[in-house]
Amino acid sequence: DGGITQSPKYLFRKEGQNVTLSCEQNLNHDAMYWYRQDPGQGLRLIYYSQIVNDFQKGDIAEGYSVSREKKESFPLTVTSAQKNPTAFYLCASSMSDRTNYGYTFGSGTRLTVV
Amino acid sequence: AQTVTQSQPEMSVQEAETVTLSCTYDTSENNYYLFWYKQPPSRQMILVIRQEAYKQQNATENRFSVNFQKAAKSFSLKISDSQLGDTAMYFCAFTWGNQFYFGTGTSLTVIP
Repeated sequence: DGGITQSPKYLFRKEGQNVTLSCEQNLNHDAMYWYRQDPGQGLRLIYYSQIVNDFQKGDIAEGYSVSREKKESFPLTVTSAQKNPTAFYLCASSMSDRTNYGYTFGSGTRLTVV
Repeated sequence: AQTVTQSQPEMSVQEAETVTLSCTYDTSENNYYLFWYKQPPSRQMILVIRQEAYKQQNATENRFSVNFQKAAKSFSLKISDSQLGDTAMYFCAFTWGNQFYFGTGTSLTVIP
């Protein structure tokens, strides 16, 4: 079955470390997105990519980095510059010209700083 | 700028009763799409219902229906015959161009 796979489900990071969250899709979708979810704040866009080797900053990109070397993959790195990284992270995808049909979401990664 | 507002952070409903979740949005665009997503305790986001702004007819999916008032920029979700499995966070969302805009969510609890 087609879908989006996020891994790991839970991730713990020490202060000062960079960590990378994985997002893979086999839906042949062009566009991929990373969102951060905090209680009471809904979903906030971190980065998005409409095409391979191209990506754009969202509303809260500071302290994060991404790459899009393959259509299927859009990993997110949470760097040590992100001051408050503890959150739930959701990856999503869509056909780039068909967001009117909605996103497909992964099951998320819960990141905790220890 | 496009914004989506959900003014009810938390709601509860008795099992088998009906509940309505509110959503308003702000846009100057004319052709757009609106969605309700459900996020149960598993945290998996699930599309509940979709509405095309150029269609006046309200969308319906089984027990879920919307009341779309384009002039008022209102898009409420009605859940009929509430079930325990409806307990979840519900997000209203709006899309125009290639961007999605989400509300802050309403946490719904169905009481047995």
